[in-house]
Amino acid sequence: ETGVTQTPRHLVMGMTNKKSLKCEQHLGHNAMYWYKQSAKKPLELMFVYSLEERVENNSVPSRFSPECPNSSHLFLHLHTLQPEDSALYLCASSQAFRSGGTEAFFGQGTRLTVV
Amino acid sequence: AQSVAQPEDQVNVAEGNPLTVKCTYSVSGNPYLFWYVQYPNRGLQFLLKYITGDNLVKGSYGFEAEFNKSQTSFHLKKPSALVSDSALYFCAVRDGMGQAGTALIFGKGTTLSVSS
Repeated sequence: ETGVTQTPRHLVMGMTNKKSLKCEQHLGHNAMYWYKQSAKKPLELMFVYSLEERVENNSVPSRFSPECPNSSHLFLHLHTLQPEDSALYLCASSQAFRSGGTEAFFGQGTRLTVV
Repeated sequence: AQSVAQPEDQVNVAEGNPLTVKCTYSVSGNPYLFWYVQYPNRGLQFLLKYITGDNLVKGSYGFEAEFNKSQTSFHLKKPSALVSDSALYFCAVRDGMGQAGTALIFGKGTTLSVSS
């Protein structure tokens, strides 16, 4: 147990559905991240919230929408996804770089299947 | 820009033999380097990191890594492999000069298979 909890662990959704992934960290960190892990591809950084500043990867489609209501919670809102969005979505947290942070701690991931 | 390369998709080693998983990096400033391990259907687990100081860093489960600045490498090593070490290993880098919002950038991963 790393102190980062993701729910749900598995999600199957149709292309017209709207769903949300949730992440919660109990480590007192002030930066949180969403990564996408697809088969045979490097982990793709999607979004970063660090010290309440949001930084995003401009290649992420707008059908993915992050929300970070506070430093302990992170959401990824999903709508009108495509089958190629099926992947393992990983949440991570760390102390922000400006706070002297180094390594990140990961949740177990949400396995998303878009049908 | 920062990047990391893991040149091997898979490394096979017999139990009891030493193992090496390779990683090279590119950053504009001083590198912060990391190794993570992922078991099936699990998230990534932190193994070890290099920030500064001694070039040989020790981590969890008997793993160690050697930082080589001239070769821009950070290879993961273990003197004696166990079957239970079989997993997917990721090297990651963070630029020491990064701004707010800097995150770890990962390699594509190397599958380690240890046979009994």
